[in-house]
Amino acid sequence: SQQGEEDPQALSIQEGENATMNCSYKTSINNLQWYRQNSGRGLVHLILIRSNEREKHSGRLRVTLDTSKKSSSLLITASRAADTASYFCATALGLIQGAQKLVFGQGTRLTINP
Amino acid sequence: DGGITQSPKYLFRKEGQNVTLSCEQNLNHDAMYWYRQDPGQGLRLIYYSQIVNDFQKGDIAEGYSVSREKKESFPLTVTSAQKNPTAFYLCASSIDRRGNEQFFGPGTRLTVL
Repeated sequence: SQQGEEDPQALSIQEGENATMNCSYKTSINNLQWYRQNSGRGLVHLILIRSNEREKHSGRLRVTLDTSKKSSSLLITASRAADTASYFCATALGLIQGAQKLVFGQGTRLTINP
Repeated sequence: DGGITQSPKYLFRKEGQNVTLSCEQNLNHDAMYWYRQDPGQGLRLIYYSQIVNDFQKGDIAEGYSVSREKKESFPLTVTSAQKNPTAFYLCASSIDRRGNEQFFGPGTRLTVL
């Protein structure tokens, strides 16, 4: 099964509402990152939260991390039509020679209805 | 403009053919990565390189090969040994070798006919 699993798989809300997506993982991590992907495009890095951090903000984004529950959440406040995209969590796992591997979940497809 | 470019955007291949996907970055990043994305799925790591002339296998390296002769370039060859190559391929780079905050190219969609 996936290291990172997002929930829900799909979310549809009205413009102006808040959107919350969750990510669960299985092993110890160095950090957890959230990315956005518009349909058929590359991914865009949104925010990184380190394993010793509990909450982080960036504009309308709020990310929480609970290492005891091995879970994270991404909150987008005051959603806009332009927020329509797939959102992926990626857990950073240590590799040899100081490298890290990002393990991506399957993503949450968010649709903002006008 | 600084960024990562991938070419071509769409690629069609006949069974049994090798094809090479291009990835170039002018961000002066040390580390580069290749991922595969299947419909409705997350990304899986194929190969990564932390520095010129060095690269490591990721989770699904079988049937793929790479080279890193220049810092700016990290081409991926999909060989005939890859049994199910139809997918969306994404190249990424990061300023540090730990791979935090990766910047992605626009992707290449490969279809095997």
